[in-house]
Amino acid sequence: SQELEQSPQSLIVQEGKNLTINCTSSKTLYGLYWYKQKYGEGLIFLMMLQKGGEEKSHEKITAKLDEKKQQSSLHITASQPSHAGIYLCGAAPNSGGSNYKLTFGKGTLLTVNP
Amino acid sequence: EAQVTQNPRYLITVTGKKLTVTCSQNMNHEYMSWYRQDPGLGLRQIYYSMNVEVTDKGDVPEGYKVSRKEKRNFPLILESPSPNQTSLYFCASTAAPKLRGYEQYFGPGTRLTVT
Repeated sequence: SQELEQSPQSLIVQEGKNLTINCTSSKTLYGLYWYKQKYGEGLIFLMMLQKGGEEKSHEKITAKLDEKKQQSSLHITASQPSHAGIYLCGAAPNSGGSNYKLTFGKGTLLTVNP
Repeated sequence: EAQVTQNPRYLITVTGKKLTVTCSQNMNHEYMSWYRQDPGLGLRQIYYSMNVEVTDKGDVPEGYKVSRKEKRNFPLILESPSPNQTSLYFCASTAAPKLRGYEQYFGPGTRLTVT
């Protein structure tokens, strides 16, 4: 089964600093989702990547999928306290079955100090 | 506004007392799913549904039931809850499971405590 490893597990940064969160898959990724979760709340969709080398940006958050489609990174530029939360990467299934279950990493807890 | 709603958001109950967590989506999505989230274990799928009257087990189905009588609703039923079902539950939906590239929408979560 596919496994996703996220690093770091937690991260504390000063407001205004840049940061990167990584997500590594044991198998080729056919679709990689990034979500943000406030503690104890729902998952907010950030971005989805499908093609090797693909890069997407939304406001100050940029996500990339490497050419081999086994690693993705999430980069936040000039972090703000509103960026604080848990970031989760999720992999779409790599087969054509009927279950579109996302396999998630354990998450990265981001704290942004003002 | 496109959304997945869940009710209740918080629930404290006792062992053995049947309960239902409702999930509804307003996007006409075929695929719906339930996950539970536990510290150290991450998100795990409980059940999923491809369409009305079509449901199947996920990774951790024991102790749960689901039904899909209408396209928009996918309730999660705990016939006899036990303390090990204390968790944060999420409902999710997406448009077309066989066409990758569709966003999965998640509900706000239901925090269940079973004493």
